Amino acid sequence: DGGITQSPKYLFRKEGQNVTLSCEQNLNHDAMYWYRQDPGQGLRLIYYSQIVNDFQKGDIAEGYSVSREKKESFPLTVTSAQKNPTAFYLCASSIAQQETQYFGPGTRLLVL
Amino acid sequence: KNEVEQSPQNLTAQEGEFITINCSYSVGISALHWLQQHPGGGIVSLFMLSSGKKKHGRLIATINIQEKHSSLHITASHPRDSAVYICAVSLEWGSNYKLTFGKGTLLTVNP
Repeated sequence: DGGITQSPKYLFRKEGQNVTLSCEQNLNHDAMYWYRQDPGQGLRLIYYSQIVNDFQKGDIAEGYSVSREKKESFPLTVTSAQKNPTAFYLCASSIAQQETQYFGPGTRLLVL
Repeated sequence: KNEVEQSPQNLTAQEGEFITINCSYSVGISALHWLQQHPGGGIVSLFMLSSGKKKHGRLIATINIQEKHSSLHITASHPRDSAVYICAVSLEWGSNYKLTFGKGTLLTVNP
């Protein structure tokens, strides 16, 4: 079964803590993306990667970091510098930019 | 100003009704996407189109490039169609492209 998995489904962060959200795909897609969704707003792009070992900042990259060491994995770290991290985070992938994106089930991050 | 505007924000229909959701955008685009988000949060891509019309089952998407407008139609609506429908446009961004999303239309279909 090909698809995108995200874990965990729910994540709790304490003040000052870094947390990492996992995103894995077995679709052999080159491009991967991280989006943030807040109530009443459209999805916003945090980071994207077109190819292994390369990634670019999106519209709201401050307070986040990513890595792309393997084609199938694109983890997102929410650092303590992100002052308002509570949101729903979605990972997506596509064969290439401009192609249909396939989304993971999402991770809901809550701050304690 | 949001580059992608959807209307209506909320839509309630009776089972069997014909549904139309509209999307307008303000800049030149390379493609437009319609997505469906279920209550649990998962998102499914329904259509990607750059001209004309596409049909998949009871869903029809149209786009008018000159008027910068797209519509998503659902024929013979069913309660399982209840979801948030999101319009997104693919824009040139430097040497790359990125999706800009509308805020979504919450559709509720009652039996």
